[in-house]
Amino acid sequence: GIQVEQSPPDLILQEGANSTLRCNFSDSVNNLQWFHQNPWGQLINLFYIPSGTKQNGRLSATTVATERYSLLYISSSQTTDSGVYFCAVEASGTYKYIFGTGTRLKVLA
Amino acid sequence: GAGVSQSPSNKVTEKGKDVELRCDPISGHTALYWYRQSLGQGLEFLIYFQGNSAPDKSGLPSDRFSAERTGGSVSTLTIQRTQQEDSAVYLCASSLGQVTNTIYFGEGSWLTVV
Repeated sequence: GIQVEQSPPDLILQEGANSTLRCNFSDSVNNLQWFHQNPWGQLINLFYIPSGTKQNGRLSATTVATERYSLLYISSSQTTDSGVYFCAVEASGTYKYIFGTGTRLKVLA
Repeated sequence: GAGVSQSPSNKVTEKGKDVELRCDPISGHTALYWYRQSLGQGLEFLIYFQGNSAPDKSGLPSDRFSAERTGGSVSTLTIQRTQQEDSAVYLCASSLGQVTNTIYFGEGSWLTVV
């Protein structure tokens, strides 16, 4: 089955810093989404982004499907950005999202 | 409802007992997903429903696990003869259509088997 790897696995930032999180996948995908899991375990959808670039406030994401990767950019990080970031991909025709290994982010005040 | 609702939020059960976990998706959402997340780990796909049909049950870990969805709405995940390794958070999600739509997660059901 499709493999989804995220990097870095762990990241510590000082408040105000910028960061880039990466998601690599091993096969063609139809769809890709990014999620943030807060310290209380709630998963929040950040972007539905099978291709191209999207921005939402301090967050933006880019997916280059032909090269099998997606990037999530966090600018001017805040302590509330702490948690785990997951990408999830739907391999063509499978009707299920496979989640990546996650990036655990801690933002220090 | 306003969001995906799961119950119970917490369940402690004795090894060998059966448990039922319930998911009430966002109104009008036809796609429903179940995932499992063990402590500190990623999300493991269990099953996907489109309407009342489950095209892919390949993620169910064993025949002790089953799921159903009735009326294209509420879904129940049943674990029979629970084992300690079943302890995890069970997460339900829904989306408006098939996989091309944004997925919304519930808060999960925390299961502890003692």
